[in-house]
Amino acid sequence: QITLKESGPTLVKPTQTLTLTCTFSGFSLSTSGVGVGWIRQPPGKALECLALIYWDDDKRYSPSLESRLTITKDTSKNQVVLTMTKMDPVDTATYYCAHTIRYSSSCFDYWGQGTLVTVSS
Amino acid sequence: DIQMTQSPSAMSASVGDRVTITCRASQGIGNYLAWFQQKPGKVPKRLIYAASSLQSGVPSRFSGSGSGTEFTLTISSLQPEDFATYYCLQHNSHPFTFGPGTKVDIK
Repeated sequence: QITLKESGPTLVKPTQTLTLTCTFSGFSLSTSGVGVGWIRQPPGKALECLALIYWDDDKRYSPSLESRLTITKDTSKNQVVLTMTKMDPVDTATYYCAHTIRYSSSCFDYWGQGTLVTVSS
Repeated sequence: DIQMTQSPSAMSASVGDRVTITCRASQGIGNYLAWFQQKPGKVPKRLIYAASSLQSGVPSRFSGSGSGTEFTLTISSLQPEDFATYYCLQHNSHPFTFGPGTKVDIK
């Protein structure tokens, strides 16, 4: 059974760095093809894919946010960490992590519950 | 980047109606297209993968079709629990991109 869960601060101040952790079970990031992605959704708005990391440490970022994002994995802990620098109120959103398998139909088939991050002074 | 558009952006429908939502990609994506349903305050739920394959546990009134650049999600007979926002997602190439969503509400 695949599960994912996001954790991190619920409130950050403008200009601060956000660090979110996705802790998962039921799969391994050392298995060929497997990946974890981060998706966010501002209140009342659409979904946006931020970053993905694959089993081979291939990392992909949203071009519009690439300069602010870093995604890493800790295979031994079954965790993926996303950092986003220079937070701004427009970054207020629910942040989700999701499971994916590269070059397959298994894209974002399992999601975490999401965590709402508010950016405010 | 591949841009995804959806039409309509919103619609009102009645229980029992046949509903069709269209998703278009700015370039060909083969069948690397998924459909998600999201209800307010809930996690998106995948309904369709590989453009036309029904996710396990999803009612058969949902179906998907298309390939290349044009795709459709059809709900054959709308049920009360289907009022939600629907998103398409292309995962043919990075960055993966979602459509802007189609909100289906009660007429």
